[in-house]
Amino acid sequence: ETGVTQSPTHLIKTRGQQVTLRCSSQSGHNTVSWYQQALGQGPQFIFQYYREEENGRGNFPPRFSGLQFPNYSSELNVNALELDDSALYLCASSLETRGWGADTQYFGPGTRLTVL
Amino acid sequence: KNQVEQSPQSLIILEGKNCTLQCNYTVSPFSNLRWYKQDTGRGPVSLTIMTFSENTKSNGRYTATLDADTKQSSLHITASQLSDSASYICVVSAITGGGNKLTFGTGTQLKVEL
Repeated sequence: ETGVTQSPTHLIKTRGQQVTLRCSSQSGHNTVSWYQQALGQGPQFIFQYYREEENGRGNFPPRFSGLQFPNYSSELNVNALELDDSALYLCASSLETRGWGADTQYFGPGTRLTVL
Repeated sequence: KNQVEQSPQSLIILEGKNCTLQCNYTVSPFSNLRWYKQDTGRGPVSLTIMTFSENTKSNGRYTATLDADTKQSSLHITASQLSDSASYICVVSAITGGGNKLTFGTGTQLKVEL
């Protein structure tokens, strides 16, 4: 076990709705990254938060937003859900010393989102 | 466009045999390269992380190599075990003005059989 937890485990939403996914980082970690993994594909980087500020973003539209809290837990919010948003959403925590992503990321088990 | 390509897409080997997985990338500016193991339905688990100056790194039966000049990496698995059956994902990190960005390969699906 990596010490990174995510909730909920599974979620079913309908198109147009909004969803919030949560991630609890490993103790002592200051950085959290979020990924979207479609079935049979590798994870796609959504964004990263380092000490509560966004520290990098992948090619995802603004309706994907996030937060990192003072205790370094994090949320991923997705507005106006589309069918293609159905995927496994992974968060990973790490202890970055320079905010440059050089340290090992520990992944949570993921949240399986299904959009109908 | 930053890309990470892995080969083969899938691989079946007998228990006890060795295998090598390949990763080619076009990510720049390069920061580091990571190999992850992902069991079905679970989050990826880090195997190695290599920076520009590292050519070889071992973690038990896993040995990763990096050639930053040719932008190639390999993951060699020695004396394979049934529990090695998983997807192996190569990830390359680039440092940009907007922070660091990770590009994932689609993975090599390894199956180890008796």
